[in-house]
Amino acid sequence: DAGVIQSPRHEVTEMGQEVTLRCKPISGHNSLFWYRQTMMRGLELLIYFNNNVPIDDSGMPEDRFSAKMPNASFSTLKIQPSEPRDSAVYFCASSPRGGAGQPQHFGDGTRLSIL
Amino acid sequence: GQQLNQSPQSMFIQEGEDVSMNCTSSSIFNTWLWYKQDPGEGPVLLIALYKAGELTSNGRLTAQFGITRKDSFLNISASIPSDVGIYFCAGQLNSGYSTLTFGKGTMLLVSP
Repeated sequence: DAGVIQSPRHEVTEMGQEVTLRCKPISGHNSLFWYRQTMMRGLELLIYFNNNVPIDDSGMPEDRFSAKMPNASFSTLKIQPSEPRDSAVYFCASSPRGGAGQPQHFGDGTRLSIL
Repeated sequence: GQQLNQSPQSMFIQEGEDVSMNCTSSSIFNTWLWYKQDPGEGPVLLIALYKAGELTSNGRLTAQFGITRKDSFLNISASIPSDVGIYFCAGQLNSGYSTLTFGKGTMLLVSP
């Protein structure tokens, strides 16, 4: 079975550029989560969707970050304009349904470096 | 907000030794999860615990859900070099759309 698929695996770009991260959740999973991982702050939840609808985006750092889920099999996380402090590993995770003890399954992440 | 304190931050052990790590919370959770992250990969679920007092094993791994619902531990017996990685605990409430709260992780290094 295919797991959560993220692309690209690595992204290096200059500050001010737009960055788009992509995620394909596990087929049949109704909930999708975007996380950011840094050494200082660990794993932080940015936003999550249930049935393609954003449920909680309180973790999104600022207006430069936006996320969409146009259908059940695809989501994007966009940063515009990007800044060096956005450098981190961004993970997407999915679960069969939100909450209720449903474990989340993670992709392998996108390592983002903003120069 | 909820916070998880995970300890130790890191461990360096010899192959064959047993390992124990734990998480404590300032508030209760109804589900505890343990994940392992290898370098360059995403966290992989090891064990999920759903009931206070529950003790669950997965091969050489054993985890328990504390009675108070504010703590959990993970034990690894007879460690091997491939156990190297970062281990995360995560707590989850089961009310509606509840999300995971992660600990900061325990980095485990195993010397052959």
